[in-house]
Amino acid sequence: RKEVEQDPGPFNVPEGATVAFNCTYSNSASQSFFWYRQDCRKEPKLLMSVYSSGNEDGRFTAQLNRASQYISLLIRDSKLSDSATYLCVVNPKGFQKLVFGTGTRLLVSP
Amino acid sequence: DTEVTQTPKHLVMGMTNKKSLKCEQHMGHRAMYWYKQKAKKPPELMFVYSYEKLSINESVPSRFSPECPNSSLLNLHLHALQPEDSALYLCASSPWTSNAGELFFGEGSRLTVL
Repeated sequence: RKEVEQDPGPFNVPEGATVAFNCTYSNSASQSFFWYRQDCRKEPKLLMSVYSSGNEDGRFTAQLNRASQYISLLIRDSKLSDSATYLCVVNPKGFQKLVFGTGTRLLVSP
Repeated sequence: DTEVTQTPKHLVMGMTNKKSLKCEQHMGHRAMYWYKQKAKKPPELMFVYSYEKLSINESVPSRFSPECPNSSLLNLHLHALQPEDSALYLCASSPWTSNAGELFFGEGSRLTVL
């Protein structure tokens, strides 16, 4: 089983739609969780950290479910500019080695 | 604009060449990283420096040699590479040295080995 698993997609959605991605992780002792966004041929950029209580940043909401070992990202009112690959990232041991999922590709169309 | 600067943006080299990738950050971060990313794959960790000391080497072949001359600079020296080493090489920095959290990536150096 991979340490971090994501559905690669692509998720094709129209503008204005709500879309959700899940990511599962295998190490129950994992300490911290993140969503990064990567545009085609660009560097990854931190989108948001994921806190135990869940957190929201504008149209984006992240949730953590420790019992089921998954994190989720919800995007409301999708924009064309949201088209990108969303990487789920987990720090399994509280050290410097982050584990990246393979990414979920989102395509938002007019 | 990213606050981590990488040069060169593109590099083409032969298998017998020696070249270096450079990375610079002025955010005062004390952890710096090299990642390798192949097309449609996630970044793979290569090396981590904490306070200018190598703290993680992910069993990277010796044809890749990292160097951290000071807290702002990180180099990756390349020698006798193979075509399969062609990839995007990403430098990152983090304010956290003991518990990796936010990573700030540079735009990467796209390497082609002929």
